[in-house]
Amino acid sequence: NAGVTQTPKFRILKIGQSMTLQCAQDMNHNYMYWYRQDPGMGLKLIYYSVGAGITDKGEVPNGYNVSRSTTEDFPLRLELAAPSQTSVYFCASRLAGGRTDTQYFGPGTRLTVL
Amino acid sequence: QKEVEQDPGPLSVPEGAIVSLNCTYSNSAFQYFMWYRQYSRKGPELLMYTYSSGNKEDGRFTAQVDKSSKYISLFIRDSQPSDSATYLCAMKGAGKSTFGDGTTLTVKP
Repeated sequence: NAGVTQTPKFRILKIGQSMTLQCAQDMNHNYMYWYRQDPGMGLKLIYYSVGAGITDKGEVPNGYNVSRSTTEDFPLRLELAAPSQTSVYFCASRLAGGRTDTQYFGPGTRLTVL
Repeated sequence: QKEVEQDPGPLSVPEGAIVSLNCTYSNSAFQYFMWYRQYSRKGPELLMYTYSSGNKEDGRFTAQVDKSSKYISLFIRDSQPSDSATYLCAMKGAGKSTFGDGTTLTVKP
């Protein structure tokens, strides 16, 4: 199993540009999440999904959009990039129904908006 | 006020020291308590998980939960340079997990 994969690893955007951060998991997990992590800070939830076709906002959804057309993929779309979106983005997944909330994280995408 | 407050650090200790990492929380509905370890430029990975109050030991690591005080701790015995990382506490009730801001630990040889 590759686990959770994210592409690209790094990206520099200009203000106003758009891009899609890709996330895929091969563990057949129902739940998927997008977080951002600013330097010295914890993880802030952007969007999450409990299954294909179902998404919901997290703590900091403004400026982002998501879709979940398959169990495996959960792309995050940035429209009109702003410097405040400079951050490290982590995708995570977990299996529903267990007693724990073990989330499996990808390696992250480092995004800089200039 | 944040739901989860984590001792900010950074923490620097000599090899072999006992390390204590701590979080407090305000939501009494939290029942699941996790510690994630995050190496530099990597994603977090689950280190320990505890359900409700009590202690759990795994090798050099002990997770402790005191629900009456709303306080959780992670102890690392005989710390090693390979333990240098950021440690994030996380907690969950019926809803989504809430993460602390993390404590960065450096263990010096």
